Amino acid sequence: AQSVTQLGSHVSVSEGALVLLRCNYSSSVPPYLFWYVQYPNQGLQLLLKYTSAATLVKGINGFEAEFKKSETSFHLTKPSAHMSDAAEYFCAVSDQGDYKLSFGAGTTVTVRA
Amino acid sequence: GAGVSQSPSNKVTEKGKDVELRCDPISGHTALYWYRQSLGQGLEFLIYFQGNSAPDKSGLPSDRFSAERTGGSVSTLTIQRTQQEDSAVYLCASSLLAGAYEQYFGPGTRLTVT
Repeated sequence: AQSVTQLGSHVSVSEGALVLLRCNYSSSVPPYLFWYVQYPNQGLQLLLKYTSAATLVKGINGFEAEFKKSETSFHLTKPSAHMSDAAEYFCAVSDQGDYKLSFGAGTTVTVRA
Repeated sequence: GAGVSQSPSNKVTEKGKDVELRCDPISGHTALYWYRQSLGQGLEFLIYFQGNSAPDKSGLPSDRFSAERTGGSVSTLTIQRTQQEDSAVYLCASSLLAGAYEQYFGPGTRLTVT
């Protein structure tokens, strides 16, 4: 079964600074990869997904992620943080052709004014 | 259009009682999923329904947990004889089809077992 590791349970950035959230997956076969965001007391919202097309994926709210097979990574970035980006972010993975998502432990982002 | 809805939003129950959690998926979505989010275990897959196929129950933690999906739409997750370790947020998601299709999540039901 696929597994995913998110490095750093908490990330604090200044408003306007780069946001970088790290995600590594376990499989040697490229899976489908997803980043979700969860605001307090809400469900998860998809930011972006990789399904074996372009390796650089652009998502909503200015986020993007790059799939790097050699590093088994799918790190999430945003060039300039906004206060509204404060939330918890989850990386998730599924095998191609599978439907179950396996989630990382999540990274909480705080944005300093 | 309407998203995934779940009810109740919060449920407090006494240990040993049964609870039912409801999920209304997005209309037309054939796939429905239940996940559990808890402090100790993070986000875990519980069960998956796809059309009229037999559900994948591989993530259910014990036989106290069961779920059904009536008419290919609404789903109910039932927990019998609740235990304190069942306290968590139960999230429902639906997708147009399974696989790479985006899963749309509901707001969750926060279950507290006292």
